[in-house]
Amino acid sequence: AQKITQTQPGMFVQEKEAVTLDCTYDTSDPSYGLFWYKQPSSGEMIFLIYQGSYDQQNATEGRYSLNFQKARKSANLVISASQLGDSAMYFCAMSGDDKIIFGKGTRLHILP
Amino acid sequence: NAGVTQTPKFRVLKTGQSMTLLCAQDMNHEYMYWYRQDPGMGLRLIHYSVGEGTTAKGEVPDGYNVSRLKKQNFLLGLESAAPSQTSVYFCASISGSNQPQHFGDGTRLSIL
Repeated sequence: AQKITQTQPGMFVQEKEAVTLDCTYDTSDPSYGLFWYKQPSSGEMIFLIYQGSYDQQNATEGRYSLNFQKARKSANLVISASQLGDSAMYFCAMSGDDKIIFGKGTRLHILP
Repeated sequence: NAGVTQTPKFRVLKTGQSMTLLCAQDMNHEYMYWYRQDPGMGLRLIHYSVGEGTTAKGEVPDGYNVSRLKKQNFLLGLESAAPSQTSVYFCASISGSNQPQHFGDGTRLSIL
């Protein structure tokens, strides 16, 4: 069975600092994908970054990078130079066996 | 291009009433998903579909039924609503496996 875990319910970070949001996963499927989504207070789900299980390099999208450690089954999101607008809920998700499941999320607060 | 449209956006029901939530996508996507989002629980997969005429159970299917008679539509039904089904419901679609999801704006459902 697939499982995805986010162990940080909330985080407070000073503006302009880098942030790492933790995500660990478990699956027996050799082919899977890992995603991060942002949900601001307005409620919409915003796709941030994707990493495939066979990708050799860590994914990057602007200020977002995914620190993929396959042997440790972790897929942490790194946000460089955080901004006030980064304050939101962040969800890690995993695809496999036609399903896509989500972690419980981390609420990130950026402090001015 | 509308993307994923959920109808209705808000609804209040009494215990025991039935209703259907509609999800429509205009991107010709094969895969569609229904989630519920509750505080502290992240998004939990209710049911999903990998193509027209197919449906499958997710993590929390009890109390819900779904149908995918047309490729563009994925309906979520509550036959006898219970207060425990008070939640925000999200629909999502993807074109193929290991692709990022396109989400609707959500339906806020309250069961009294």
